[in-house]
Amino acid sequence: DTGVSQNPRHKITKRGQNVTFRCDPISEHNRLYWYRQTLGQGPEFLTYFQNEAQLEKSRLLSDRFSAERPKGSFSTLEIQRTEQGDSAMYLCASSGRDRGNTGELFFGEGSRLTVL
Amino acid sequence: ELKVEQNPLFLSMQEGKNYTIYCNYSTTSDRLYWYRQDPGKSLESLFVLLSNGAVKQEGRLMASLDTKARLSTLHITAAVHDLSATYFCAVGALIQGAQKLVFGQGTRLTINP
Repeated sequence: DTGVSQNPRHKITKRGQNVTFRCDPISEHNRLYWYRQTLGQGPEFLTYFQNEAQLEKSRLLSDRFSAERPKGSFSTLEIQRTEQGDSAMYLCASSGRDRGNTGELFFGEGSRLTVL
Repeated sequence: ELKVEQNPLFLSMQEGKNYTIYCNYSTTSDRLYWYRQDPGKSLESLFVLLSNGAVKQEGRLMASLDTKARLSTLHITAAVHDLSATYFCAVGALIQGAQKLVFGQGTRLTINP
C-alpha cells in the first residue's frame, strides 16, 4: 500500500501522560500536514512541513504539542501532559508536485486519541 | 481569517431524489476541494476545482465553483444509499508555497431507501 500510513490507529491514555503518533507520507511527497478532527467537526490545521522544515504552525498547537520530520520522510506528533480536551482524531496528510499543481492533500486513516 | 461554511449541516433524503450542498467561503481563493468521510474513516478526495466556473462530475456527484460569489456546490443526482457519508468542502489558502486547506463543518448526508 502506497498511501499515507499512521500509527497507532487508536490510543487510550490517562490524563497527564505523553503520547506520540507517527505518520509515513506517500513516498514521493515532500509536503506533510497534521490536522485535528473532533467529533462532528471538520479537520483543523495544526502544522505543515516541507521536507524537514516546519514552515507553519497553528495557534491550536500549544506548547504541549511538538511535531518533527527529522529526515524529511516520516513525521511524529507528540503531545505532552495530555488533557481530556486533546481527545480527537489526529490526521496526517501529504502532498507533492503534481502536474496540475492542484495542492490536493491525501489523508491517512488517522490516529484516534482518547484521554481518560 | 478564512472561514468556510457549509449548509445544510444535516441532510436526510430519499433514494432517487436530487439535492445540493452549498459551501461559502469568506476570502478570495481559486482552489476548492470536496472530500467524503465515512464514519470512523479518513477523508477521500472527490473533486479539486481550480478556477472560476469549474465543473466536475463523477457518477451521481457534480461539483462547481463560482469564485466571484465565493461559492461551491455539490449536487447529488438520483441519490443512492451508498452515498450516505459526511461531505466536506475545503478552501485552499497559500502558505509557504503549499495549500493549507481550511475545512467547513461538514454535511452529514443520510439516504433512506
